[in-house]
Amino acid sequence: DVKVTQSSRYLVKRTGEKVFLECVQDMDHENMFWYRQDPGLGLRLIYFSYDVKMKEKGDIPEGYSVSREKKERFSLILESASTNQTSMYLCASSLKHRGNQPQHFGDGTRLSIL
Amino acid sequence: GQNIDQPTEMTATEGAIVQINCTYQTSGFNGLFWYQQHAGEAPTFLSYNVLDGLEEKGRFSSFLSRSKGYSYLLLKELQMKDSASYLCAVSGAGSYQLTFGKGTKLSVIP
Repeated sequence: DVKVTQSSRYLVKRTGEKVFLECVQDMDHENMFWYRQDPGLGLRLIYFSYDVKMKEKGDIPEGYSVSREKKERFSLILESASTNQTSMYLCASSLKHRGNQPQHFGDGTRLSIL
Repeated sequence: GQNIDQPTEMTATEGAIVQINCTYQTSGFNGLFWYQQHAGEAPTFLSYNVLDGLEEKGRFSSFLSRSKGYSYLLLKELQMKDSASYLCAVSGAGSYQLTFGKGTKLSVIP
């Protein structure tokens, strides 16, 4: 069965901290994605990666960076957390075949920045 | 760019049929996905359409018209557990990315 695991369900951090969100998938998927989900705005793509050490900016990359050192792991980094980054963060993965492979999501991390 | 519209909220009665519409404008198209998301949980994949027509999967069906930029998700014999948000997502031509609509929150009432 498909499994995408995010390291924390809930996380509370302070403004200015460097925050790491981890995501691991066990399906040997090439593509991995980070989204944030906010009421009234839906799912918005932050960054994605289609191979190890490769990354592409999504729609809202500002204030974030990512790391993909191994195929199964994709990390989202908030360089200096701010209150407007309080949100639900969702990681997803998919097979590489363009366009027609469903993305499988982790359970999400609800991040609060105080 | 891509723009996806779907109703914000819908209410339907247990045992009834409900249709959730999705319209999209894209610069390229390589398929449309529907996801279900219960409150506080991850989205789960429901269906995929790339050709025009109806795809049926148990109580759920999804329809696509590429010429009209239109899709709908049809839920039959509604159950209380179908109360969730339903997300429409479009894949652009030659892209790994999905662009999601804002979701339709469906409430099923007794």
